[in-house]
Order: sequence, then C-alpha cells, then structure tokens
Amino acid sequence: SSELTQDPAVSVALGQTVRITCQGDSLRSYYASWYQQKPGQAPVLVIYGKNNRPSGIPDRFSGSSSGNTASLTITGAQAEDEADYYCNSRDSSGPWVFGGGTKLTVL
Amino acid sequence: EVQLVESGGGLVQPGGSLRLSCAASGFTFSSYEMNWVRQAPGKGLEWVSYISSSGSTIYYADSVKGRFTISRDNAKNSLYLQMNSLRAEDTAVYYCARVPLDPRGYMDVWGKGTTVTVSS
Repeated sequence: SSELTQDPAVSVALGQTVRITCQGDSLRSYYASWYQQKPGQAPVLVIYGKNNRPSGIPDRFSGSSSGNTASLTITGAQAEDEADYYCNSRDSSGPWVFGGGTKLTVL
Repeated sequence: EVQLVESGGGLVQPGGSLRLSCAASGFTFSSYEMNWVRQAPGKGLEWVSYISSSGSTIYYADSVKGRFTISRDNAKNSLYLQMNSLRAEDTAVYYCARVPLDPRGYMDVWGKGTTVTVSS
C-alpha cells in the first residue's frame, strides 16, 4: 500500500506563517485531507479537497497541492494551533492512508 | 447535534476478542460511509477499516485483515468492529469517523474514541 510522508516536527514563531507538507504517490490521484489533533482529544478535520475548510475552522488554515505533495499552510499561527497535524488520502490499494504526523510547536 | 459515540473498549488478554460499537446520532447514518481509525499510545493515526453506506463494500488494513470484521446496522444507526485474535500491538484508542459521500475523500466527524488494551 502507499505511504504518506510528513516531517515529524515543525516550529513557527507566533503570528508567522508555517507550511506542513505531505508527500506520497497517492496524492497524484487523490486529494489530501488534513486533521488537527491536540493532546487527549480526537482529530478534527481542518482542510479537505482542493482547499476547503469545514465550518468553524479559521481562514488562516489553507491547503494546496502539486504533483505528489500536499501542503497545509497556517498564516499567522496562533498559540492554539500548537498540535499534531496528520494528512490523509484515499489509496488505490485500500481506501485510506495517513501520514506519520507533524508536531507543530508555536514559539 | 451530529455525534458519534464509541463503546466496548477494555482490557483483554492476547488472543481474546472484543466488539466495538459506534452509535451515530444527529444525521442520516445510512447516507454515510464510515471508517475505524486507531491510535496506539504515543503514535500516529492508523486507518483500520472502511465500510460503504450500504455495507456492500469493505476494506481492511493489512495489519488487521483476517482478524477484524467491520459491520453496520443502518436501522440502529450503529457501526461495529469485531476484533478477534487480539495482539499487544492492537492496543490503541479506536475512533469511528464519518465519511461523506464525496469523491474528495475525508472524515468530517469523529467520535471521542474507546480504549482497547491487550495485555496479560
């Protein structure tokens, strides 16, 4: 089955912009979705499709994709954005695959 | 309010069985596909199993194939995961997640999870 690769950890200064990337062959055929998970909580969908935000997700979250790489961008990171972020996509050999997750630290 | 509530987790010995349930409310359950996703302690998210809205299409991760069985009862608004031949590496929080009938493929509602511990 396919794999999705994420950087294990990323940091950003408060108010600055950060990009979290996700690479994998499945992304050439399927959209990525992105999930935010804070300690002890269930994941929350933040981006899906080309660049769609569910209701209640701040517009500082955006998504993009090129080739085999999908990106989640947080423009003007806030302290409450500190969390683990996971990408996910469908996979041709089975319907779903997750990236390993990126721990975002807001300095 | 749209809600998913998992139950059925607990402590089980290696080789044992457990049946997880996911109760859906606040939406038309039969119109959605569903996933089970798990998270081992200190680890990332792992997709476990998928079932289509009618139950006619099912997929499993290689790590659970042949041991776990996903099912649903649309009349009872419920999703299930029968877990047999449990191993220590199945220890995790198990989440059910709603999948809209949308080709973009995403999970828009998650339950809070139920904890499964496999240990002697």
